[in-house]
Amino acid sequence: NAGVMQNPRHLVRRRGQEARLRCSPMKGHSHVYWYRQLPEEGLKFMVYLQKENIIDESGMPKERFSAEFPKEGPSILRIQQVVRGDSAAYFCASSPRQGDYGYTFGSGTRLTVV
Amino acid sequence: DAKTTQPNSMESNEEEPVHLPCNHSTISGTDYIHWYRQLPSQGPEYVIHGLTSNVNNRMASLAIAEDRKSSTLILHRATLRDAAVYYCILRESGGTSYGKLTFGQGTILTVHP
Repeated sequence: NAGVMQNPRHLVRRRGQEARLRCSPMKGHSHVYWYRQLPEEGLKFMVYLQKENIIDESGMPKERFSAEFPKEGPSILRIQQVVRGDSAAYFCASSPRQGDYGYTFGSGTRLTVV
Repeated sequence: DAKTTQPNSMESNEEEPVHLPCNHSTISGTDYIHWYRQLPSQGPEYVIHGLTSNVNNRMASLAIAEDRKSSTLILHRATLRDAAVYYCILRESGGTSYGKLTFGQGTILTVHP
């Protein structure tokens, strides 16, 4: 039973390019959450999605960032026109549904903007 | 957002029990208490969670105060692999904030051989 899969594990982008981070939740999990961890800082919630719906995007920057979780395929976190300040570890978590569950996190994507 | 307070760091010796405290005086009646840990360069790992009663699983035990304003994560026999940052989090149980975990700074646990 594979866990939460994130890819790529490491991603290097030049300033101004686009970054696409992918997250495949655990089998049977339909809820996905994205978190960001800036260097030497704690994890910050970004967005909570269910299949084809954004439930809570209160932690998403207003510009350049978007997320989706289509009916088929992985969840995608997209960062347009990356800047150096976007360099961070991005973690995805999943849960089977709303309820009394712990979240399973992936190993993260480490984005470096040069 | 509900807040928790944890010591910045704690130390333990291998094979000894570790008690990691957490204060959450503003907890609401339906907030769950979750614990996660994060090893270096890895994603957070779920440890345990509870609502009112003490909980046990293969990783740890969670002792919750009767008034729910504090809790303690208990590692019964610490190993070197338990060295990590431990986060105590109140999981909001209502509305669109349902899915959000608010991570604090956590407690850095050092385990000595």
